[in-house]
Amino acid sequence: KAGVTQTPRYLIKTRGQQVTLSCSPISGHRSVSWYQQTPGQGLQFLFEYFSETQRNKGNFPGRFSGRQFSNSRSEMNVSTLELGDSALYLCASSFYSRQGSHNEQFFGPGTRLTVL
Amino acid sequence: EDKVVQSPLSLVVHEGDTVTLNCSYEVTNFRSLLWYKQEKKAPTFLFMLTSSGIEKKSGRLSSILDKKELSSILNITATQTGDSAIYLCELDSSYKLIFGSGTRLLVRP
Repeated sequence: KAGVTQTPRYLIKTRGQQVTLSCSPISGHRSVSWYQQTPGQGLQFLFEYFSETQRNKGNFPGRFSGRQFSNSRSEMNVSTLELGDSALYLCASSFYSRQGSHNEQFFGPGTRLTVL
Repeated sequence: EDKVVQSPLSLVVHEGDTVTLNCSYEVTNFRSLLWYKQEKKAPTFLFMLTSSGIEKKSGRLSSILDKKELSSILNITATQTGDSAIYLCELDSSYKLIFGSGTRLLVRP
């Protein structure tokens, strides 16, 4: 079974631009969660999508948004990039929604975003 | 405000030693606590603990939740250099997912 894949793996943008990151979950998984990891703040939860609906949301500004498609693939968009958005963005998939059940999630390799 | 605190922040041991990592929490509505190991890549799942208090084991690793102390420990016995990593705990609280800052473990030969 293929694991979680994320594209692109690396990305360099400048302040003010926007970026879209993609995550393909493990086949059969319907939940996709997004996280931001930085040296200063550690790992922080952005949001979770399940069956094309956002189920949970962390404490991030509205510049961070996402969506999920019918095939469970998910995209995350960050608009008006700031220097502080430089981070490793991880997505994780699981079979059940984190809202409904306790279950293991599998992480992708991440997208490293650098904002100049 | 919900929070998760891991201790120690870092730890250096020698192969064969036993280590105990701690994750303490203050959350409004505890649902589960998860442990992850993160090496150079993304975190990999280790254990999930619920309020049942049942200890989880996998080889040399074990973990248990103490509901009264609002904490969990992760034990690693007979450590190996391959155990060197950052160990993260994650709390699921009212559907908010909160990570601790992690414990960086270095196991020297």
